[in-house]
Amino acid sequence: DAGVTQSPTHLIKTRGQHVTLRCSPISGHKSVSWYQQVLGQGPQFIFQYYEKEERGRGNFPDRFSARQFPNYSSELNVNALLLGDSALYLCASSLGAGQGISYEQYFGPGTRLTVT
Amino acid sequence: KNQVEQSPQSLIILEGKNCTLQCNYTVSPFSNLRWYKQDTGRGPVSLTIMTFSENTKSNRRYTATLDADTKQSSLHITASQLSDSASYICVVSPCRLIWGLGTSLAVNP
Repeated sequence: DAGVTQSPTHLIKTRGQHVTLRCSPISGHKSVSWYQQVLGQGPQFIFQYYEKEERGRGNFPDRFSARQFPNYSSELNVNALLLGDSALYLCASSLGAGQGISYEQYFGPGTRLTVT
Repeated sequence: KNQVEQSPQSLIILEGKNCTLQCNYTVSPFSNLRWYKQDTGRGPVSLTIMTFSENTKSNRRYTATLDADTKQSSLHITASQLSDSASYICVVSPCRLIWGLGTSLAVNP
C-alpha cells in the first residue's frame, strides 16, 4: 500500500514566480496537512484540509493557498515567491482532522523548493 | 504561551551506546505527545505517541517516558546504530500540533 506521495521532489524557482506543489494521501485518509520546514527548524503548520474544507490555517501570508480535491489529493500554491520561501514542504495525511491519537499523521518525503 | 523545548540541541555518540533526549513543554490543555524521527531531507516518521495516562511506551530500541505533572518527556535510544543518525522531534498536541526544534543525533562508528 502506497504511502503519502508528493511531487515534485525538487524545484527551483526565481523570485516573483508562483509554484504548485502536489500531495496524494494514503488511501482511505481524508485529511491533508501542509507544513513548511526551513533548514535547521521544525515544521511550521500551513494548512489542514478535511473533506475538501479548510480546517486549520497557520500564520502564513495570503500568498499561500491550498485546496483539496474530491479524491482527497491536495495542492499547495505559493504566489510571488520570496527567497525566504526556500524550504522543505511537507504533506501529511491522516484519517481525520482532529489531533487525537486516532488521527496519527503520516508524512510524505517532501518537496524541496529553492527560490533564487 | 504554548512551547516545546528540546535538549540537547545536538548530540554525538558512538555506535552501540545509549542516549537520552529531553523534551519540556508548556502546553495546555494537553492531549498527546509524539516523538518523530526525521532523516535529513525526508519527512518525519512517528516513533511513539503517548496520552496523558501513559508513562512509558516502547518501540523497538526506542523508549519514551512522559511525566504529565512536570510536563517532561524523554526518548531513550538503546544500543544505537548508525542509522539512528537523524533529528528527533518532540511534538505536543493541545488542539494543534506544537513542534519542538528537535535534537540532531549523530552516531559515529
